[in-house]
Amino acid sequence: AAGVIQSPRHLIKEKRETATLKCYPIPRHDTVYWYQQGPGQDPQFLISFYEKMQSDKGSIPDRFSAQQFSDYHSELNMSSLELGDSALYFCASSPGGTKQFFGPGTRLTVL
Amino acid sequence: GQQLNQSPQSMFIQEGEDVSMNCTSSSIFNTWLWYKQDPGEGPVLLIALYKAGELTSNGRLTAQFGITRKDSFLNISASIPSDVGIYFCADQLLSGNTPLVFGKGTRLSVIA
Repeated sequence: AAGVIQSPRHLIKEKRETATLKCYPIPRHDTVYWYQQGPGQDPQFLISFYEKMQSDKGSIPDRFSAQQFSDYHSELNMSSLELGDSALYFCASSPGGTKQFFGPGTRLTVL
Repeated sequence: GQQLNQSPQSMFIQEGEDVSMNCTSSSIFNTWLWYKQDPGEGPVLLIALYKAGELTSNGRLTAQFGITRKDSFLNISASIPSDVGIYFCADQLLSGNTPLVFGKGTRLSVIA
């Protein structure tokens, strides 16, 4: 069965640089969620999209933005990167309702 | 905000032993989800519970939705080395297409 695809899997950036993370949801899933997971932490919700419109916003810094495109893939744009942004970033897709299916994540390291 | 209290924080068990972990909340929830996460990978959905009192199995895993709707437990029977990982309970903040809030996780180690 198709799963959520995230790219890149690993990303190394310098402070103050920008990064773009991509998420390709499971086909026919109309909702995408972004989560951030720091070392030893549980995933924290950042932002979500339903049918290409932003639906919920969590603890996402103003330096970050995201969007969902017409083909339902989503991109998380991160600017002015800080050391504290180093984390695993997950995208989860949902066909609606409770169940969310997570991608393999992007490990971002900011040096 | 919403908080899920998950225990124990970590467990070391012998291969073949049964495992039990639980999650509690001060709030009432309509669903409970249990995920497993391997190091550096995304959480994988194990079991979803939708009704108070519901008992659901998935192979060697069994989970129950507490009658009060404020707790859930996950049991793993006859543990094997590949059960190693972090187990998270999770709930939705609201019904519908809404984000998940996670417990802090239970880290399971299996000694062969």
